[in-house]
Amino acid sequence: KAGVTQTPRYLIKTRGQQVTLSCSPISGHRSVSWYQQTPGQGLQFLFEYFSETQRNKGNFPGRFSGRQFSNSRSEMNVSTLELGDSALYLCASSLGQGPPQHFGDGTRLSIL
Amino acid sequence: GENVEQHPSTLSVQEGDSAVIKCTYSDSASNYFPWYKQELGKRPQLIIDIRSNVGEKKDQRIAVTLNKTAKHFSLHITETQPEDSAVYFCAASNSGGSNYKLTFGKGTLLTVNP
Repeated sequence: KAGVTQTPRYLIKTRGQQVTLSCSPISGHRSVSWYQQTPGQGLQFLFEYFSETQRNKGNFPGRFSGRQFSNSRSEMNVSTLELGDSALYLCASSLGQGPPQHFGDGTRLSIL
Repeated sequence: GENVEQHPSTLSVQEGDSAVIKCTYSDSASNYFPWYKQELGKRPQLIIDIRSNVGEKKDQRIAVTLNKTAKHFSLHITETQPEDSAVYFCAASNSGGSNYKLTFGKGTLLTVNP
């Protein structure tokens, strides 16, 4: 069974641009959650989607948004990028009624 | 909102010794407490979790204990091995229904010296 797949693995952007990251969950998993990991703030919850609906949201500004498609794949978008958005963005999937169990390798986003 | 404090931030032990990592949480409504292991450059892995209706849970060399009154929970690793070297994160959430909005501790870098 394929694991959680995140694309791209690495991304370099400049301030003010926007970016879209993709996460394909394990087959059959309907919940996808997103996290930001930085050396200073650690792991922080961004949001979670289940059956195309945002079920939970963390304390991030509205520049951070996401969506989930009918095949459970999820995308997250960050607009008007800031230097502080440089981080490893991780997604995790679960069947839907349980906690996040399977993480992807992440997308490392660098803002210049 | 929930706040999770994790200690120590770094821990160095000799192979075969035990390691203990402690976390405290602030929201008395939190009822789900997972632990993740993240090796350098790799994805986090869920290694063990505990719910508030249980005081202790074991899985081979790892165990987690929960004290709801004091609002703290701990990870215990016995007979440590070099492959246990990693960053360990605790987390907490109020899992009402399917709500798993996790709040994480800042992590503990565990180094097991051969």
